[in-house]
Amino acid sequence: QQQVKQSPQSLIVQKGGISIINCAYENTAFDYFPWYQQFPGKGPALLIAIRPDVSEKKEGRFTISFNKSAKQFSLHIMDSQPGDSATYFCAASGETSGSRLTFGEGTQLTVNP
Amino acid sequence: EAQVTQNPRYLITVTGKKLTVTCSQNMNHEYMSWYRQDPGLGLRQIYYSMNVEVTDKGDVPEGYKVSRKEKRNFPLILESPSPNQTSLYFCASSFDPRRWGETQYFGPGTRLLVL
Repeated sequence: QQQVKQSPQSLIVQKGGISIINCAYENTAFDYFPWYQQFPGKGPALLIAIRPDVSEKKEGRFTISFNKSAKQFSLHIMDSQPGDSATYFCAASGETSGSRLTFGEGTQLTVNP
Repeated sequence: EAQVTQNPRYLITVTGKKLTVTCSQNMNHEYMSWYRQDPGLGLRQIYYSMNVEVTDKGDVPEGYKVSRKEKRNFPLILESPSPNQTSLYFCASSFDPRRWGETQYFGPGTRLLVL
């Protein structure tokens, strides 16, 4: 059972464009929603995270938007750059899952020059 | 440098030949975990450990064993590997994950091919 569903599976964006990746979750007890970024040949690394009592968090060109009622959250990458080309994973955790991270399926982002 | 290391990085083996993938962290983290990454399935947790001598099953534990005899090491053991265990494996560690926002640090990955 996939508790966190992520879309799209792959995304191609032109340099300077906006990349949007969406995630939906089922467990209403989740209270931590991070995004991880993975470059080829590397392990995932934390990019940005949000808690459910805020609707948006911004760090530089990266923004998480959170919709608690819809149980959805999304990553927006503004002014996308070729260096942003990577695989992005959303994740969620909460006390009822023992604080273990449940990951989405991943999105492979390609930013063309 | 704070890091999670895994060895080997690449491994080709045959069905049934026991193997061990090592994982070590130098950040004094209590929590360590193993994941496998497969296309279209994301990262799925195999086993995790909240501290020394404390291990528990994740979402896909079948065919794997772990041990946590020392805080820094968390080896993954495949006693009789099968082709469906061909995958990319990641070890991760953190301080107590029950603290909100605790970041997990991932190793560089081990790519395993079982023939």
